[in-house]
Amino acid sequence: DTAVSQTPKYLVTQMGNDKSIKCEQNLGHDTMYWYKQDSKKFLKIMFSYNNKELIINETVPNRFSPKSPDKAHLNLHINSLELGDSAVYFCASSQDRLAGATWGELFFGEGSRLTVL
Amino acid sequence: GDSVTQMEGPVTLSEEAFLTINCTYTATGYPSLFWYVQYPGEGLQLLLKATKADDKGSNKGFEATYRKETTSFHLEKGSVQVSDSAVYFCALIRLTGGGNKLTFGTGTQLKVEL
Repeated sequence: DTAVSQTPKYLVTQMGNDKSIKCEQNLGHDTMYWYKQDSKKFLKIMFSYNNKELIINETVPNRFSPKSPDKAHLNLHINSLELGDSAVYFCASSQDRLAGATWGELFFGEGSRLTVL
Repeated sequence: GDSVTQMEGPVTLSEEAFLTINCTYTATGYPSLFWYVQYPGEGLQLLLKATKADDKGSNKGFEATYRKETTSFHLEKGSVQVSDSAVYFCALIRLTGGGNKLTFGTGTQLKVEL
């Protein structure tokens, strides 16, 4: 069973289109994240949700809108795609209970490679 | 704010060579420190971690020691293999009221050749 799964794995689309990436985790974690990785492998956090509540919202264009229908799912919708949105988007989850052995550890999905033409 | 600085790559080594990837951090309080590894085409996975000063994290032959006096968490391995070729990320996390945000370094690509 994949712990953190993202779909689709690859996405090729035209500028100006709207697209969504879905993420699901079966680890029972409280917190989920979206990260963007550029072509130089630099990782930047975009959003974080804890129990469906948005807790981290970095400086991201408002064309990006996350949605968490429940604590096991976090989706990312992108409107009016631009060339600069081309990247690999990673979903991750973590257990935030301080007593947990895996506190602070993020579990990542395999990534969704978005190419905007 | 918090930050993590890693040595730039790519680092190219021959198999069985000794590896060091430097990592230093800036953070207030007492962060926990991590090394993540990203193999080609995959997501990141935790390699090792240390939660307090002088702790040593180790896994798969890799080690790193949390040095508060030098604010460092250098990654080492005595004898690398071709299968260690990957991108390595140093990271820190602090418990804050605004959520546990992991701060990553820029990543260091390691290439191991026969």
